[in-house]
Amino acid sequence: GDSVTQMEGPVTLSEEAFLTINCTYTATGYPSLFWYVQYPGEGLQLLLKATKADDKGSNKGFEATYRKETTSFHLEKGSVQVSDSAVYFCALRSGGSNYKLTFGKGTLLTVNP
Amino acid sequence: NAGVTQTPKFQVLKTGQSMTLQCAQDMNHEYMSWYRQDPGMGLRLIHYSVGAGITDQGEVPNGYNVSRSTTEDFPLRLLSAAPSQTSVYFCASSAGGAGNTEAFFGQGTRLTVV
Repeated sequence: GDSVTQMEGPVTLSEEAFLTINCTYTATGYPSLFWYVQYPGEGLQLLLKATKADDKGSNKGFEATYRKETTSFHLEKGSVQVSDSAVYFCALRSGGSNYKLTFGKGTLLTVNP
Repeated sequence: NAGVTQTPKFQVLKTGQSMTLQCAQDMNHEYMSWYRQDPGMGLRLIHYSVGAGITDQGEVPNGYNVSRSTTEDFPLRLLSAAPSQTSVYFCASSAGGAGNTEAFFGQGTRLTVV
């Protein structure tokens, strides 16, 4: 079945540091890939997505590129801020399975001033 | 713009009690799902629905029931609460039609079973 493996945290960075959170996946067909973010005490919200190979999703300075050859969708940001402190989830929907999101276990990011 | 609304936000139950977690969405989405979030486990799918009158089991359905009598509402019922059901529960909805559609999540219900 589908699965998502992401870098386990917690990750602690200083403000303006470079961020990478690794995510790899296993899926049948050609999945759509997502990064969701969960701020403290809140539900999940979509950060970015990519729907086909070599697509780059971007939002709020975060980027991730859909790499079919390495089955990866790593999240990056060039300069993190304290307000980026949150839990980040990588997720996928495999083709034809519109209603099932498969999540990674989440990565807690803490950014210190 | 309400989106997905879950009630209650917090709940404490005694072992063996039953309760219903409510979920409502105002976006006319076909698809709705319930997840539970546990430390180190990510989000796991409990039950889902692809439209009114249609439900199916997810990854961890035991101990939970759902129904979908309207497009807007998708309640989750705990029949006889157990400490293993202590968790944070999230309801999500999304439009149908393509695998790349965004899922919208509620704020969550934190349930403790003692």
